[in-house]
Amino acid sequence: KAGVTQTPRYLIKTRGQQVTLSCSPISGHRSVSWYQQTPGQGLQFLFEYFSETQRNKGNFPGRFSGRQFSNSRSEMNVSTLELGDSALYLCASSLVASGAGEQYFGPGTRLTVT
Amino acid sequence: AQKVTQAQTEISVVEKEDVTLDCVYETRDTTYYLFWYKQPPSGELVFLIRRNSFDEQNEISGRYSWNFQKSTSSFNFTITASQVVDSAVYFCALSEAAAGNKLTFGGGTRVLVKP
Repeated sequence: KAGVTQTPRYLIKTRGQQVTLSCSPISGHRSVSWYQQTPGQGLQFLFEYFSETQRNKGNFPGRFSGRQFSNSRSEMNVSTLELGDSALYLCASSLVASGAGEQYFGPGTRLTVT
Repeated sequence: AQKVTQAQTEISVVEKEDVTLDCVYETRDTTYYLFWYKQPPSGELVFLIRRNSFDEQNEISGRYSWNFQKSTSSFNFTITASQVVDSAVYFCALSEAAAGNKLTFGGGTRVLVKP
């Protein structure tokens, strides 16, 4: 079974631009969650989608948004990029939405904002 | 609110030594789940174990073992006879049943195993 895939793996953007990251979950998994990892703040939860509905949202500004498609693939978008948005963005997929299942992570997208 | 604390930021050992990683959590939920993940230099988080709040049995998987104690809100992880390949950052995480799949992570413990 293929694992969680994320594209692109690396991205360099300029302040003020916007960016879209993509995540394809493990086949059959309907829950996709997104996390931001930075040296200063560690791993922080952004949001979770299940069956195309956002179920939970972390404490991030409205510039961070996401969506999920009917095939469970998910995208997250960051508008008006700031230098502080430079981070590793990880997505995780799970079979269930209750927190009881294993969550498997993708390799991440490393975003650099200059 | 939930919180996970990994007090050890970095541990350095010589190969074949045992190493124990501490994890202390806080939650008001009675149903919750605890996880350990490994993050090698490549960056991908590798799932190691999940434990639910009603199952306090310790678990052993090869050289890895986990000790879950609700009385002290701890979920510690031991690597026996460490190997260089165990060098990585290890994260403890918590999810609450009421919050779906939202994981709250500890700050991580970097383990360096020297040959």
